[in-house]
Amino acid sequence: GAVVSQHPSRVICKSGTSVKIECRSLDFQATTMFWYRQFPKQSLMLMATSNEGSKATYEQGVEKDKFLINHASLTLSTLTVTSAHPEDSSFYICSAEGLAGGSTDTQYFGPGTRLTVL
Amino acid sequence: RKEVEQDPGPFNVPEGATVAFNCTYSNSASQSFFWYRQDCRKEPKLLMSVYSSGNEDGRFTAQLNRASQYISLLIRDSKLSDSATYLCVVNQVGGKLIFGQGTELSVKP
Repeated sequence: GAVVSQHPSRVICKSGTSVKIECRSLDFQATTMFWYRQFPKQSLMLMATSNEGSKATYEQGVEKDKFLINHASLTLSTLTVTSAHPEDSSFYICSAEGLAGGSTDTQYFGPGTRLTVL
Repeated sequence: RKEVEQDPGPFNVPEGATVAFNCTYSNSASQSFFWYRQDCRKEPKLLMSVYSSGNEDGRFTAQLNRASQYISLLIRDSKLSDSATYLCVVNQVGGKLIFGQGTELSVKP
């Protein structure tokens, strides 16, 4: 149990385009989903926290108009990188928190999306 | 000062060695603590939670000292498959996970 999927797993796009990444909790309802970014040789950095049906809370330094988050249901959150630039190239990972296996404070991570902006 | 700091790596050890990772955190209000393992180009996977009483899972032992704000992970009889980056993770109020920068372990035959 407690499976989180992400789609796509890898995307290469031209500078200026927008990219949408989906995060789904497959076998549990996620009350909260988190979006992280990881640059090479660095640790995961939390970008934003989203709760179903409400606006996401962004971490300091993360532009909410550039990284659009929609958490439309208890099993799906999307991150859209708008007008992507090469510096946005990174590994984007989502996690979902909810009642899975009886634990409410465990975050289950998706497999990540590797974004390369040319 | 970083919120979660780990030993700089990489650690290069032979098979069968015992290796210890250290981690300190700055926020005394932190609520729960974990060690995650991350393989190259993959997502982090939960290795174990860390409790004040100490806990063991096979060859892995984790310790938490709240007074010193210090967390450790001991790996005994290391295997080639233990090669990965080990992340010290602290959960703060509201479920926010703060990750350390990770310590890379390479176990050699």
